[in-house]
Amino acid sequence: DAEITQSPRHKITETGRQVTLACHQTWNHNNMFWYRQDLGHGLRLIHYSYGVQDTNKGEVSDGYSVSRSNTEDLPLTLESAASSQTSVYFCASSYRQGNTEAFFGQGTRLTVV
Amino acid sequence: SQELEQSPQSLIVQEGKNLTINCTSSKTLYGLYWYKQKYGEGLIFLMMLQKGGEEKSHEKITAKLDEKKQQSSLHITASQPSHAGIYLCGAELPLTQGGSEKLVFGKGTKLTVNP
Repeated sequence: DAEITQSPRHKITETGRQVTLACHQTWNHNNMFWYRQDLGHGLRLIHYSYGVQDTNKGEVSDGYSVSRSNTEDLPLTLESAASSQTSVYFCASSYRQGNTEAFFGQGTRLTVV
Repeated sequence: SQELEQSPQSLIVQEGKNLTINCTSSKTLYGLYWYKQKYGEGLIFLMMLQKGGEEKSHEKITAKLDEKKQQSSLHITASQPSHAGIYLCGAELPLTQGGSEKLVFGKGTKLTVNP
């Protein structure tokens, strides 16, 4: 069955380190999204991509970057991890722009100490 | 500012009671999605509404999108403990800079159902 997987599920890192969270989907979806979920803020969009080589900033993109070299993967990189980036991160994918449901990964819990 | 407003933020009901969760946007929605999330887990798709006035049901959950496509409600009939979780509405909204849409979410409604 097609799926979307995130790895790792849990990560503890130190302030200032570079961290990459992986997201892999096997639906051949064009669209991929990264969100962070924090108490009181809900899901906030970090970055998103509508296809290979396409990336766009969301509402909370500072300190994060993504690259889309193939259809299946959209890794999220924290260039220099900060305690404010402690959160649960969700990756999602959807088939095309608009009017199709997005499928979510199980999330990555990141703690920056 | 939050582009999708959900209310209430939390809800505690007795098993068997009906309840409604609302999702409001200041902009016309291209598509409105309802998801459910259990603590520590990913989001599970419930329903998608596209047309003004559209209504969909799945088991005891009914979602509606108003005619102007700026508000949606999620109604649960005869609630059960299995309905407990966080309900989020999501929508395609146009980028402020124009052009493509982005998928954004409300802050969620935490539902507790007491046996």
